[in-house]
Amino acid sequence: GQQVMQIPQYQHVQEGEDFTTYCNSSTTLSNIQWYKQRPGGHPVFLIQLVKSGEVKKQKRLTFQFGEAKKNSSLHITATQTTDVGTYFCAGSSGGSYIPTFGRGTSLIVHP
Amino acid sequence: NAGVTQTPKFQVLKTGQSMTLQCAQDMNHNSMYWYRQDPGMGLRLIYYSASEGTTDKGEVPNGYNVSRLNKREFSLRLESAAPSQTSVYFCASSENEYGYTFGSGTRLTVV
Repeated sequence: GQQVMQIPQYQHVQEGEDFTTYCNSSTTLSNIQWYKQRPGGHPVFLIQLVKSGEVKKQKRLTFQFGEAKKNSSLHITATQTTDVGTYFCAGSSGGSYIPTFGRGTSLIVHP
Repeated sequence: NAGVTQTPKFQVLKTGQSMTLQCAQDMNHNSMYWYRQDPGMGLRLIYYSASEGTTDKGEVPNGYNVSRLNKREFSLRLESAAPSQTSVYFCASSENEYGYTFGSGTRLTVV
């Protein structure tokens, strides 16, 4: 079955440093979604990418979808303590709209 | 605008007891889902309902049953709870392939 691998599992940064999490799929994806989950909270939808090579920005967050539609990344510039949480990617493929979630990257920001 | 509402928020069960987790959404979404989240395992799909009147198994359906009562409500039932079902359960809804809206979760402990 489809697998979505996400790395790293954890990332510690000093406030102000940049952060990147990567998502890789074993199959070509039709789209990829990104979610953020604060500690003790629930996942919150951030964005969906559909097109090959697509890049979208939300303030300090930059999302990319690979040319082959098998990988994606989320980059945060100049992290803040409010960025703390776990970031999940979720990819759909094979004609199914049900996405497979990666295991997430937990971001810890040290003030 | 409540979004997705889950009840209860916390529950402790004894092994062998049964319970139903309730979920309701007010966004007129066609699709609804039940996930479980365990440490380091990400989000795993238990069951989903693509539309009113239909339900399908996800990745980890064993030990669970679901009912799509109407377009708004999707319940998850544990007939005979086991310690392995200790987890955080999230209900979500979506309009087909677009981003999910998650409920705030049910933290279930089976002793």
